[in-house]
Amino acid sequence: AQKITQTQPGMFVQEKEAVTLDCTYDTSDPSYGLFWYKQPSSGEMIFLIYQGSYDQQNATEGRYSLNFQKARKSANLVISASQLGDSAMYFCAMKGGSQGNLIFGKGTKLSVKP
Amino acid sequence: EAQVTQNPRYLITVTGKKLTVTCSQNMNHEYMSWYRQDPGLGLRQIYYSMNVEVTDKGDVPEGYKVSRKEKRNFPLILESPSPNQTSLYFCASSLSVGPAGEQYFGPGTRLTVT
Repeated sequence: AQKITQTQPGMFVQEKEAVTLDCTYDTSDPSYGLFWYKQPSSGEMIFLIYQGSYDQQNATEGRYSLNFQKARKSANLVISASQLGDSAMYFCAMKGGSQGNLIFGKGTKLSVKP
Repeated sequence: EAQVTQNPRYLITVTGKKLTVTCSQNMNHEYMSWYRQDPGLGLRQIYYSMNVEVTDKGDVPEGYKVSRKEKRNFPLILESPSPNQTSLYFCASSLSVGPAGEQYFGPGTRLTVT
């Protein structure tokens, strides 16, 4: 069965510093996708970044990068130069198999301090 | 603008009173899905649809029904709501079932059943 584990329920980071949010996954599918979503207090789910299981390079999108270590089954999100607006819940998710659904972790609440 | 819309955004109802949450996407996506989000549990899939007239159960389908009569619409039906269905509901769509490609989420519907 597929599973996503986020071990950090909450984290604090100082404004302008970098922060890493941890995510490990488990799957027997050879082909899968890994995603990070941001959920601010307003509730919407905002797509941040995607990494395919066959991608050779780590994905980057602006201040977001995904540290993909396939052998360790980890897909950590790195946010560089944190901003106050980055305070939110962050969810790691995986998509694979035939059902097409996203399997979500329980999330990490990030708080950015001024 | 490419988007997934849900209505209503907020709903308070009483036990047993049938309700429908509508979902519509304008991206011609094949795949649509419903999730519910509960504190500490992340998002869990309720039902999904790979195409018109093709629907299937997700991880938590009990108490819910769906239909997919048109490609763009995927309503969620609660025939007899109960308090344990109080939750934040998201509709999502994606171009395909495969592991690549993000799922686009609607803004969410916050349902309270008293």
